[in-house]
Amino acid sequence: DIVMTQTPLSSPVTLGQPASISCTSSQSLVHSDGNTYLSWLQQRPGQPPRLLIYKISNRFSGVPDRFSGSGAGTNFTLKISRVEAEDVGLYYCTQTTQFPYTFGQGTKLEIK
Amino acid sequence: EVQLVQSGAEVKKPGESLKISCKGSGYSFTSYWIGWVRQMPGKGLEWMGIIWPGDSDTRYSPSFQGHVTISADKSITTAYLQWSSLKASDTAMYYCARQDYYDSSGRPSKYFHHWGQGTLVTVSS
Repeated sequence: DIVMTQTPLSSPVTLGQPASISCTSSQSLVHSDGNTYLSWLQQRPGQPPRLLIYKISNRFSGVPDRFSGSGAGTNFTLKISRVEAEDVGLYYCTQTTQFPYTFGQGTKLEIK
Repeated sequence: EVQLVQSGAEVKKPGESLKISCKGSGYSFTSYWIGWVRQMPGKGLEWMGIIWPGDSDTRYSPSFQGHVTISADKSITTAYLQWSSLKASDTAMYYCARQDYYDSSGRPSKYFHHWGQGTLVTVSS
């Protein structure tokens, strides 16, 4: 199985300041079709996950442009340019390149 | 509108059986993979397995193989997750989600955008 490792596991951030979450995979996420199927999900308390970013850097429809994704191969990053109160929650990276699909452990974003 | 509506919360005793459901609507049910995800209390997300309702092709994550059964009834556009003998450690929230192989521009995407609301399963004596 591909192991996904996120850092940090907790991220206290001041409102209006940037935040960054890293995700590292135990092997390359490049699919045989040349695409890298790495997504980022947000989970607010009491809610199901919500898709933010897919294929490393594609922002899903309706996702604010303060969210961005980058990376390649085995190293990926989710950045929030200016954290807002509604961004509080858990953030997960997930790979759907190879089954079994796997998630990172999750990063808790909280306001200082 | 695409919807995945899951069955309601369950409270069961260890050793009992259970089948929870995920009803899809607003799209061609047989043309998308459905995945199941476990979230134990205060813990992260775990992929359990996926099913192609068109022919019931099912794939299990190794951690869940043999412990649960994933199935689908395309005639009623519903996917299922079932246990034959529950344990206290099965206490968790369970989500179903639909996998989109292509994005709105027709490019391969393989993302999970549509999620059910979750089914809370509590197993306690």
